[in-house]
Amino acid sequence: GESVGLHLPTLSVQEGDNSIINCAYSNSASDYFIWYKQESGKGPQFIIDIRSNMDKRQGQRVTVLLNKTVKHLSLQIAATQPGDSAVYFCAETLTGGGNKLTFGTGTQLKVEL
Amino acid sequence: GAGVSQSPSNKVTEKGKDVELRCDPISGHTALYWYRQSLGQGLEFLIYFQGNSAPDKSGLPSDRFSAERTGGSVSTLTIQRTQQEDSAVYLCASSPRGDSHAETQYFGPGTRLLVL
Repeated sequence: GESVGLHLPTLSVQEGDNSIINCAYSNSASDYFIWYKQESGKGPQFIIDIRSNMDKRQGQRVTVLLNKTVKHLSLQIAATQPGDSAVYFCAETLTGGGNKLTFGTGTQLKVEL
Repeated sequence: GAGVSQSPSNKVTEKGKDVELRCDPISGHTALYWYRQSLGQGLEFLIYFQGNSAPDKSGLPSDRFSAERTGGSVSTLTIQRTQQEDSAVYLCASSPRGDSHAETQYFGPGTRLLVL
């Protein structure tokens, strides 16, 4: 069945360093992926998305990389700031699977000063 | 502009009681979604509305859960005869059209439900 999982439950980085959050998915039919950021007590906030016809997409300080061969997704955050501390979720949808997002369990990013 | 809003922000109820959770989507958004987030877990899809189409109820965990969307805007998620395992954060999201699986869903702040 389809599943989205995260390699690391907690990631600690120093302020100013780059962060890389990884995500694996199992359904080769998945073709749309989203990263969300969730701060404590708040709803998920959209960060960046990517479709399966792309390998890389960049936003402001964030880059998403997609490796369809190994079914792996990563979120890179440049010059990590204290405000980046949150739980990060990857999510997927697939063609013909409706609009329901399937989420992983999340990675807690902690930024150390 | 205003984002997705949900009410109440917190709800404490006793086991066996019914609860209603409300969602106001972003104005003009056609599609509306409900998800549940249990403690320390990811988000679990519950139900999806898109325009006048029949809702996708495939994620509802039991017949105690139901949802309505009146007038194509506001939605209410109802849980009857609440159980302790229903305790979770209930999140609502909306998207502009809902006619594509590759459309960003924007989330509200959630309702934190605690069943005693």
